[in-house]
Amino acid sequence: NAGVTQTPKFRVLKTGQSMTLLCAQDMNHEYMYWYRQDPGMGLRLIHYSVGEGTTAKGEVPDGYNVSRLKKQNFLLGLESAAPSQTSVYFCASSLRAYEQYFGPGTRLTVT
Amino acid sequence: KNQVEQSPQSLIILEGKNCTLQCNYTVSPFSNLRWYKQDTGRGPVSLTIMTFSENTKSNGRYTATLDADTKQSSLHITASQLSDSASYICVVSAEGNAGNMLTFGGGTRLMVKP
Repeated sequence: NAGVTQTPKFRVLKTGQSMTLLCAQDMNHEYMYWYRQDPGMGLRLIHYSVGEGTTAKGEVPDGYNVSRLKKQNFLLGLESAAPSQTSVYFCASSLRAYEQYFGPGTRLTVT
Repeated sequence: KNQVEQSPQSLIILEGKNCTLQCNYTVSPFSNLRWYKQDTGRGPVSLTIMTFSENTKSNGRYTATLDADTKQSSLHITASQLSDSASYICVVSAEGNAGNMLTFGGGTRLMVKP
């Protein structure tokens, strides 16, 4: 039982490049989330999903897209990376709106 | 706007000492409050969860309190250990089944020194 895993762990992008972050959970959770964490700020919700095939915008969705084609996977895409997207990205999952289990994070730098 | 404020922002204590972290919130309608521990380079891990009717909840050396009237919570750490060095995040949940009902505090960074 691996819990929540994220790939990659680290990534450096140049401005304008695109990439996809993958989140996988093996707990059969309905809900999945993507957050970003910046120094001195709390975790901020980017997008979330309440079930396979559904997604919704969070607090800071601009510049990101997501997909939930399979229940266990939640993908976060950056179509044209900007330096303002330099951050640590955390994925989380939960059984409905209960306790969230977080992945180890992906540290992204955009130069 | 829902907000969660934590204090202090950072704290240094000696191993074996106790400390108390504070969390004030303006989240409505209130559902529950969680304290998470986040080690450097890792994702947050839940320590406690408290609902409206709970005043105190313990998890080993961690004791959380909740005053729903004043909208304040505290996390007390007893007999601190070096492994307690981490960020502690207060998270308040508003009622509802949507996935966007959590408000995160900025965290308190605790350093325990030998």
